[in-house]
Amino acid sequence: GENVEQHPSTLSVQEGDSAVIKCTYSDSASNYFPWYKQELGKRPQLIIDIRSNVGEKKDQRIAVTLNKTAKHFSLHITETQPEDSAVYFCAASLSGGYNKLIFGAGTRLAVHP
Amino acid sequence: NAGVTQTPKFQVLKTGQSMTLQCAQDMNHNSMYWYRQDPGMGLRLIYYSASEGTTDKGEVPNGYNVSRLNKREFSLRLESAAPSQTSVYFCASSVRPGQGSGLSSPLHFGNGTRLTVT
Repeated sequence: GENVEQHPSTLSVQEGDSAVIKCTYSDSASNYFPWYKQELGKRPQLIIDIRSNVGEKKDQRIAVTLNKTAKHFSLHITETQPEDSAVYFCAASLSGGYNKLIFGAGTRLAVHP
Repeated sequence: NAGVTQTPKFQVLKTGQSMTLQCAQDMNHNSMYWYRQDPGMGLRLIYYSASEGTTDKGEVPNGYNVSRLNKREFSLRLESAAPSQTSVYFCASSVRPGQGSGLSSPLHFGNGTRLTVT
């Protein structure tokens, strides 16, 4: 079946450093790639998304890049802050399905002051 | 607006018991979803409802049933709970994606129900 692989599973950085999380998807027809942030005990919340007709999208300290040829997309967080500490999930849309997403296993990001 | 509201927040069941997880949204969204979240496995789609009156299976539908009661409410039922169904369950909703275009739309999640089956 289709899948999304996410790396690394854990990431530890110092406050102010950059963090990069990478995902690879298998469904060549995927055209929507959201990223969700989940704080401990809370709901997943959308932080940024990108569609397949765009190569890069930025929102303040967060950016996402997409390489359709390699079926690879990444989340970049610059100038990390302790409140960025959370689990981050990438996802990719499935072809033939109605707004169906397949999620990566998640990356636990720890930002140390 | 409360967004997506799930009840209960916590539940403990014994093997073989049944229960229904409730979900309601006040964002006038057409589409609703049920996901389960297990450690190290991300979120997996159980069932979804593209619009009122329709439901379809997701990745892991076995052992579950759903009811789209009206536009606001989408419930998930476990008829005979098993320990493998111990998980955190999230309900989500979205606007109806662009028809014919294949475009997807963001999901808005509820706060989750933590279910333990012993």
